Amino acid sequence: EAGVAQSPRYKIIEKRQSVAFWCNPISGHATLYWYQQILGQGPKLLIQFQNNGVVDDSQLPKDRFSAERLKGVDSTLKIQPAKLEDSAVYLCASSLLKDTQYFGPGTRLTVL
Amino acid sequence: DQQVKQNSPSLSVQEGRISILNCDYTNSMFDYFLWYKKYPAEGPTFLISISSIKDKNEDGRFTVFLNKSAKHLSLHIVPSQPGDSAVYFCAASGRSNYQLIWGAGTKLIIKP
Repeated sequence: EAGVAQSPRYKIIEKRQSVAFWCNPISGHATLYWYQQILGQGPKLLIQFQNNGVVDDSQLPKDRFSAERLKGVDSTLKIQPAKLEDSAVYLCASSLLKDTQYFGPGTRLTVL
Repeated sequence: DQQVKQNSPSLSVQEGRISILNCDYTNSMFDYFLWYKKYPAEGPTFLISISSIKDKNEDGRFTVFLNKSAKHLSLHIVPSQPGDSAVYFCAASGRSNYQLIWGAGTKLIIKP
């Protein structure tokens, strides 16, 4: 069974630039999560989708972050414009409804 | 407001001995607890979980203990092996939304 795929693995941008991350969840997993993990901290949930609907985006900085999950499969997370404090690892996870979450390898973003 | 706390940023244990990782929580509504393991440049991997109706769950070398009155859980690894060297995250969820609240992680180093 293929795991959660994410790309790119690494991204370096300058502040005020835009960046997008892509996630392909495990086949059949209805729920998809995007987390932000800052060095030395645990993952923080940014947004949770169930199929193509948003379940919770209360911690998503909506002035600069956006996410979509068209057709209830792949998802993209965008930051526009990026700030220095956005430097982090962005993790995507998927699960069967409210089951155990399975994580992708993450995208390490560095904002200069 | 940290609802899940892992107070030890790192722990060093001799190979073959027992590793004990601790986690405290403050929210009495949490009723499901998980441990994830993370290697560098990889996403977290589910290790073991426990429901609040139990006080112990065992899976091979890994045992999780839950003390609800103390709002404390621990992960025991016996015997510790070099491959166990990783960052271990404790996470908790409640009945209301099943979203995971994560601790900051403990880096476990197994010395040969």
